[in-house]
Amino acid sequence: AQSVSQHNHHVILSEAASLELGCNYSYGGTVNLFWYVQYPGQHLQLLLKYFSGDPLVKGIKGFEAEFIKSKFSFNLRKPSVQWSDTAEYFCAVKTSGTYKYIFGTGTRLKVLA
Amino acid sequence: GAVVSQHPSRVICKSGTSVKIECRSLDFQATTMFWYRQFPKQSLMLMATSNEGSKATYEQGVEKDKFLINHASLTLSTLTVTSAHPEDSSFYICSALGTSGGSTDTQYFGPGTRLTVL
Repeated sequence: AQSVSQHNHHVILSEAASLELGCNYSYGGTVNLFWYVQYPGQHLQLLLKYFSGDPLVKGIKGFEAEFIKSKFSFNLRKPSVQWSDTAEYFCAVKTSGTYKYIFGTGTRLKVLA
Repeated sequence: GAVVSQHPSRVICKSGTSVKIECRSLDFQATTMFWYRQFPKQSLMLMATSNEGSKATYEQGVEKDKFLINHASLTLSTLTVTSAHPEDSSFYICSALGTSGGSTDTQYFGPGTRLTVL
């Protein structure tokens, strides 16, 4: 069965530190990849998505992610985090032939001011 | 654009009663909506796929007679938790599939509904 792994469950960073959150999936076929963010008390918002083309995807709020097909990975990065980035981040994968998403377990990021 | 609303945001009910949760796509039509359940500090678990004008497709282990889904229009899907029990207490989230053709379909999420069954 397909699965999505987010290895970092909790991450604590100071402001201006660089961020990289890991996301790996298990599926050998064509995938669409997503990162969503859930700020405290708010709904999931789309940060960025990859469907095809340039494997380096830029999203909102300075986030980017790189699809590395050989590693089955789609890691999220931000060069300099802010206190307002404190949230939970979810990676999701959609496989070909279905509209369903498979979510990772999420990573809670806390940025210290 | 692509806003999804849910109503109510919070509901408390007595054990044995039924609760209806609405999910609306406000500025786009959605032939497909999804219902998820999120447990504390855990990921989203897909419960069912709701298709306008047809029966919902439930994930394995989800009781279709307990979680009734109706997708009566292109902008509204409802989830009714029937004969609710305390173990049904959870955060229920819906999403709507925004389609602009081909492979660019993206799910847009509602704010969720916190259900507490006493």
